[in-house]
Amino acid sequence: SAVISQKPSRDICQRGTSLTIQCQVDSQVTMMFWYRQQPGQSLTLIATANQGSEATYESGFVIDKFPISRPNLTFSTLTVSNMSPEDSSIYLCSANRDSNTEAFFGQGTRLTVV
Amino acid sequence: DAKTTQPNSMESNEEEPVHLPCNHSTISGTDYIHWYRQLPSQGPEYVIHGLTSNVNNRMASLAIAEDRKSSTLILHRATLRDAAVYYCILRGANSGGSNYKLTFGKGTLLTVNP
Repeated sequence: SAVISQKPSRDICQRGTSLTIQCQVDSQVTMMFWYRQQPGQSLTLIATANQGSEATYESGFVIDKFPISRPNLTFSTLTVSNMSPEDSSIYLCSANRDSNTEAFFGQGTRLTVV
Repeated sequence: DAKTTQPNSMESNEEEPVHLPCNHSTISGTDYIHWYRQLPSQGPEYVIHGLTSNVNNRMASLAIAEDRKSSTLILHRATLRDAAVYYCILRGANSGGSNYKLTFGKGTLLTVNP
């Protein structure tokens, strides 16, 4: 198994500002992902964080709004830029060792934009 | 992505078995059937996965129909701690980043009565 730590666990931010969320895995993993879970909803994939190259974004998500870094095989960051109240959600980091093993999830970052 | 269909909610009594159904009529030959659950205020956690044969682990059993168009997650003895949203997800086994990601549907909200 792998343990994923996310920081911060929650934050309240002013609109127009940016927040960077950190995701640390306790062992090397092949793939890392970022999800968003809006209130009362299921998880929506934002992007795949690629080590050493630009992230792969899902439809409806763009790099300018959600820049992602992945400098090594255990760490990734997601920035929520120029925030508005609509960005209030839980943001979750996930990691996989390979396609036939389970995914691990962080506890999430609960973001409130006021 | 091949889609899955699950009931929105189910109810069970404590210490009784629970059978959570999932339909996936468009499943491809290489899709694995994964189950995750999300307890309140937590990130999703892996439950079980399988390809063709029934699978058992310490958490649950997975029964897969012979034609693979449906599956059932079985909790042998529900406890209050099993109250969660259960997600049935298909994931490809081929190499490549796109087959690592999980596409979450709405899942089944399981309520366990004491």
